[in-house]
Amino acid sequence: DQQVKQNSPSLSVQEGRISILNCDYTNSMFDYFLWYKKYPAEGPTFLISISSIKDKNEDGRFTVFLNKSAKHLSLHIVPSQPGDSAVYFCAARIPSSNTGKLIFGQGTTLQVKP
Amino acid sequence: DAGVIQSPRHEVTEMGQEVTLRCKPISGHNSLFWYRQTMMRGLELLIYFNNNVPIDDSGMPEDRFSAKMPNASFSTLKIQPSEPRDSAVYFCASSFGLAGGPRETQYFGPGTRLLVL
Repeated sequence: DQQVKQNSPSLSVQEGRISILNCDYTNSMFDYFLWYKKYPAEGPTFLISISSIKDKNEDGRFTVFLNKSAKHLSLHIVPSQPGDSAVYFCAARIPSSNTGKLIFGQGTTLQVKP
Repeated sequence: DAGVIQSPRHEVTEMGQEVTLRCKPISGHNSLFWYRQTMMRGLELLIYFNNNVPIDDSGMPEDRFSAKMPNASFSTLKIQPSEPRDSAVYFCASSFGLAGGPRETQYFGPGTRLLVL
């Protein structure tokens, strides 16, 4: 059973517009959420994260929003650039054992068109 | 720093053969993770080590899969015998610390693309 779901396999946006990537989760015990970005033939790289005690975290063009009641988080990229074209994975941490175990979603492929 | 190093980058083998994937974590990191990426399930955690000791192998799909970490700078993931459904990209990641929080970011290697015919 997928505890972290990214229901949109792909997203295409025009350069300069906003990209919104969504992620839903089922386990209300998750205490920390992350987004990773992956280019072809490379491993995922950490992008941005948010603690469950917050509802927003911003880093430059990237903002992550967390809605705990809806068990939903989203990544906003404004403005989108062609270099943002990649696969984006959301991940959530299981806190119970404090062992850093991350549960990843299936990924969303973002294409930013010039 | 060279980052996490994985070898081989690509592996094509026939069903029933043994496959060994290798990983060198970032120097100084004490946690190492093996993941498998598939289209259907995304990134799945297979097993992870802390200070060379396996902590959780609940993600290992079958007894055909085994992983070792004989020292702080080397780990292997072995599949014996391999099957076509094992075809995927296998990633190794390392971190300093195990909590997965802000100071324990996991750094991924480039992955090994495995194709079992």
